[in-house]
Amino acid sequence: AQSVTQLDSQVPVFEEAPVELRCNYSSSVSVYLFWYVQYPNQGLQLLLKYLSGSTLVKGINGFEAEFNKSQTSFHLRKPSVHISDTAEYFCAVNRRGGSYIPTFGRGTSLIVHP
Amino acid sequence: KAGVTQTPRYLIKTRGQQVTLSCSPISGHRSVSWYQQTPGQGLQFLFEYFSETQRNKGNFPGRFSGRQFSNSRSEMNVSTLELGDSALYLCASSSALHSGGEQFFGPGTRLTVL
Repeated sequence: AQSVTQLDSQVPVFEEAPVELRCNYSSSVSVYLFWYVQYPNQGLQLLLKYLSGSTLVKGINGFEAEFNKSQTSFHLRKPSVHISDTAEYFCAVNRRGGSYIPTFGRGTSLIVHP
Repeated sequence: KAGVTQTPRYLIKTRGQQVTLSCSPISGHRSVSWYQQTPGQGLQFLFEYFSETQRNKGNFPGRFSGRQFSNSRSEMNVSTLELGDSALYLCASSSALHSGGEQFFGPGTRLTVL
């Protein structure tokens, strides 16, 4: 079985500042990793995913994440946030060769202040 | 391609009633999953259907059931509603063409139980 821990439930930050949302996972086998974003009153939308290859993954809206196998982490970063980035962010993991059902973290609420 | 659609978007019911929620996946997607999202429990997996068969099931009581039709559309039913069933119910579809189990989410149905 796999599990995901999002270390911060809420991250406040000022506009144009950098941000990092932390995600650690646990799995006995190789994994696929995802970050999703949820804006108010909407469903989840894929930001980026790591399947294989380069450990630095770039996604939409200027976000990127780095897969660190030794630390079992997949932290999400953005060098300069905007007010519109205020949303809930979910990290998810799925084991290779497993079902199509990923395990989601509890979410991190990113709050961008002007 | 049209995205995942869910109907209705909002629903108000009273305790003891039953409810049916509907989900239409992205054309060509054969896997449909259902999730319950609440502030306290986060995103919890209910069940997944693939080609009209339940393929995976989460840890929910039997009051929660679902089905999938030959056109991949899915319905979820909750009987004998309880106050704790108030939540955002999200449907997601997936395709074998999308490696790693990437999920495409609908906007959700907001269920309020009074």
